[in-house]
Amino acid sequence: EVQLVESGGGLVRPGGSLRLSCAASGFTVSSNFMTWVRQAPGKGLEWLSVMYGGGRTYYTDSVKGRFTISRDNSKNTLYLQMNSLRGEDTAMYYCARDLSGRNWFDTWGQGALVTVSS
Amino acid sequence: QTVVTQEPSFSVSPGGTVTLTCGLSSGSVSSTYFPTWFQQTPGQAPRTLIYNTNSRSSGVPDRFSGSILGNKAALTITGAQADDECDYYCVLYIGNGISMFGGGTKVTVL
Repeated sequence: EVQLVESGGGLVRPGGSLRLSCAASGFTVSSNFMTWVRQAPGKGLEWLSVMYGGGRTYYTDSVKGRFTISRDNSKNTLYLQMNSLRGEDTAMYYCARDLSGRNWFDTWGQGALVTVSS
Repeated sequence: QTVVTQEPSFSVSPGGTVTLTCGLSSGSVSSTYFPTWFQQTPGQAPRTLIYNTNSRSSGVPDRFSGSILGNKAALTITGAQADDECDYYCVLYIGNGISMFGGGTKVTVL
């Protein structure tokens, strides 16, 4: 069964860091396009970042320079390293497999909640 | 600054048809933006309905269809049912590896 399970969410102070994990099963992360999407409480979805199978990465402007997408092939896991966190980064973070590199998301994780607050 | 636009809300009668749209603040949406549509109920992860403009995801009923209407992408729900009442989002590939979601449309069935 194809599945994604996120972990690593929690409460962090402004300016702090957190790393989210997205463990995949049933497929190989390094052979797929993998994306992070977030949703602030009561708000809409926001596309954050994508990693192509070949390793190329892209970010939306609001997180560029602060967030880093990466993967560990040996653990078949995708990561999102989040630094210099702000209150507006408070959100549910989802990872998703993209079958085409053009937003054909066939599998979503359950989400990891990140709360940035002092 | 590119903005992807969606109607904030829409109402449809049970059994009726509703068409939601996904546009750009400047310019027209075409299939080269690879519009994708999602359905989301409260507390749940999104569910992909339509990808690549008009391809239906596995398990999605054929009363959901995607198209390009004029200068926007469109999601049409035919024969609306009570459990279609939720939020709908579109995402567009805007180039250079970057994608952008619209603000979402809240659909009420009444």
